[in-house]
Amino acid sequence: DAGVIQSPRHEVTEMGQEVTLRCKPISGHNSLFWYRQTMMRGLELLIYFNNNVPIDDSGMPEDRFSAKMPNASFSTLKIQPSEPRDSAVYFCASSRAGVSNQPQHFGDGTRLSIL
Amino acid sequence: SQKIEQNSEALNIQEGKTATLTCNYTNYSPAYLQWYRQDPGRGPVFLLLIRENEKEKRKERLKVTFDTTLKQSLFHITASQPADSATYLCALLGFQKLVFGTGTRLLVSP
Repeated sequence: DAGVIQSPRHEVTEMGQEVTLRCKPISGHNSLFWYRQTMMRGLELLIYFNNNVPIDDSGMPEDRFSAKMPNASFSTLKIQPSEPRDSAVYFCASSRAGVSNQPQHFGDGTRLSIL
Repeated sequence: SQKIEQNSEALNIQEGKTATLTCNYTNYSPAYLQWYRQDPGRGPVFLLLIRENEKEKRKERLKVTFDTTLKQSLFHITASQPADSATYLCALLGFQKLVFGTGTRLLVSP
C-alpha cells in the first residue's frame, strides 16, 4: 500500500517567495495532519483536518500560513510570504480516525530552507 | 506548564544489551501514550500504543510501560541490534491533539 506522499522533498527559496507544500494521504484515512519539526521545538502540530474540514488550526504560526484540503486525497500548506525562520522539515500525516488512539502515518517530509 | 520530556542526550549501548528510554510528562492526564521511531530524513513510524489502564505492552523485542502515578513511560528494546539505531519519540493525547516529545537518539554499536 502506498504511504503518505509529500512533495517536494526539498525546497530552497528566497525570503518573500510563496511556498506550497503538497500531501496525498493514505486512501481511506479521513484525518490529515500538518506538522513542523525543528531541533529547538521538536514536532509541532500546525493544523489538522477531519473529513476535509479544518478542525484545529491553533498551531498555525501566523497569517502567512494557510492550509487547504479540497478533497480527501490532497492537501496543501502554503506560506506567503516566506521568512528564514520558517526553515524546518514539514510533515504530513494521516490516520483513520482523527486525534484518537489510531496511529498516525507520516510522509517523509519536505525540508524547507528559506534564504 | 505542560511538558513532555525525553532525554535529549543520545543513548549509546552495545549490541545485545537492553536499551531503556524514558518519557516523562507534567500537567497532562493522557488516556494513552504512543511511541514512534524516526530515522534520519524520514517521517516518524508508529511502534506501540499503551492505554492508561495498561501497565505494560509488548511487541516482539519491544516493551512499553506506563505509570500514570509517576507520569512516566519507559520504552525497552531487548537484545538490541545496530538496526535499532534511530530517534524514538513518545507522544500523548493532550487537549485534543497528539503532543510529541523531542525524542531520544539511540545508537547501538556492534
